[in-house]
Amino acid sequence: ILNVEQSPQSLHVQEGDSTNFTCSFPSSNFYALHWYRWETAKSPEALFVMTLNGDEKKKGRISATLNTKEGYSYLYIKGSQPEDSATYLCAFPLTGTASKLTFGTGTRLQVTL
Amino acid sequence: DAGVTQSPTHLIKTRGQQVTLRCSPKSGHDTVSWYQQALGQGPQFIFQYYEEEERQRGNFPDRFSGHQFPNYSSELNVNALLLGDSALYLCASSLIGQGREKLFFGSGTQLSVL
Repeated sequence: ILNVEQSPQSLHVQEGDSTNFTCSFPSSNFYALHWYRWETAKSPEALFVMTLNGDEKKKGRISATLNTKEGYSYLYIKGSQPEDSATYLCAFPLTGTASKLTFGTGTRLQVTL
Repeated sequence: DAGVTQSPTHLIKTRGQQVTLRCSPKSGHDTVSWYQQALGQGPQFIFQYYEEEERQRGNFPDRFSGHQFPNYSSELNVNALLLGDSALYLCASSLIGQGREKLFFGSGTQLSVL
């Protein structure tokens, strides 16, 4: 994998459902893996920066895991709420600086009542 | 503490014109990077400024240029605008680091080229 790939492209769940997304990235020359949440009409907001194989991060109902050897990360949302509706982007620094991130196209999550 | 601020929020230009977008980084940050987000794509890296110099550049033509000022604020200039330059332009600030520092984004400038 030369780029960052995310799946699914979009997801529509009901309030209370748990869901997860996948991010695949190049497994060689790993520096870090970033997750951002981007709500409509707002700025992208950093959720996690993951650096170690097997890393698990948690922020409220959102958690993420990392497998650097096989080049994937999962983002989980437990008990989705309407305020979780956003585009979730993962990004990978191809060089050793976070400023130059290669982003996936994102997973667009819509949570309805 | 103000976050990253960008101006203007929206801009309409015609082909061939030139445009300047502005960004003020989060207080305490020394690095500014610019991204272009076209419809249906993830943000694409344009370039990064640190210590008033362009440090890294993405796959964008020379029509895209920038500047960083002593107060760390930055400008993105695009000359000879093309229809394909229509996009959301995001500015992000951070501290220079090793790939593990979080980026803080502004809300972007929506550029429409007619």
